[in-house]
Amino acid sequence: SYELTQSPSVSVSPGQTASITCSGDKLGDKYACWYQQKPGQSPVLVIYQDRKRPSGIPERFSGSNSGNTATLTISGTQAMDEADYYCQAWDSSYVVFGGGTKLTVL
Amino acid sequence: QVQLVQSGAAVKKPGASVKVSCKASGYTFTDYSMHWVRQAPGQRLEWMGWINAGNVNTKYSQKFQGRVTITRDTSATTAYMELSSLRSEDTAVYYCARSSSSSGHSFDYWGQGTLVIVSS
Repeated sequence: SYELTQSPSVSVSPGQTASITCSGDKLGDKYACWYQQKPGQSPVLVIYQDRKRPSGIPERFSGSNSGNTATLTISGTQAMDEADYYCQAWDSSYVVFGGGTKLTVL
Repeated sequence: QVQLVQSGAAVKKPGASVKVSCKASGYTFTDYSMHWVRQAPGQRLEWMGWINAGNVNTKYSQKFQGRVTITRDTSATTAYMELSSLRSEDTAVYYCARSSSSSGHSFDYWGQGTLVIVSS
C-alpha cells in the first residue's frame, strides 16, 4: 500500500520560514494537500492540489510537489501557526495521510 | 454555509457496534463524496473509507474492510459510518469530511468529530 512519510517535528523562530516535507513514491504524479490541526480541533485544509490555497487561508502558506516530495512552506511564521500538519494524497481511489509533523514556533 | 454536524459521543463495550451520523447542509449533498477519518488519542489521522453520495459507490481502507460500513440517506442529507466488532483500540475521535474530484480529493470541510470510547 502507498505510504507518505513526514518528519515528526519541525521548529522555527517567529518570522522565519518553516518547511514541512512529505515524501512518497512518485508523489509528484499525484495531487498533494495539507491540513493544519490544532489541539482539540478538527483539521483545516490549508493547501490543495499541490499549491492552491482555500479561501481564508493566509498567503504565507504555500505548497509545491515534485518528484517524490511535497513541501508545505510557511513564510513569516507566526505563533498561531504552531500546530500539527498532515499531508494527504489520493492513490487509486484510496486516501493516504502522512504521519503528521508537529510545528513548534519558539 | 457548508456545515457537517456529527452525532454525539458514544461509549460502547468491546464486541459491540457504533453508528455515527454526519448531517450535511449548505450544499448539494449528491455533488460530493463523504469520507470518514479517525484519530486515536495522540495519534495520526487515519482514513477509513468514503462514499460517493451521488451514486452510492463506496471504498474502504483495507484495514477496516469487513468491519466498516458507510451509507447515506439523500433525503436526510446525512452520511453514516458503522463500525462493528469494536475493541479498545477503536477508541478515537471519528470525523466525516467532504471532498470532490475537482479539488483533487482534498477535504475542504470537516465535521466537529465524534468521540467513541470502547471500554468494558
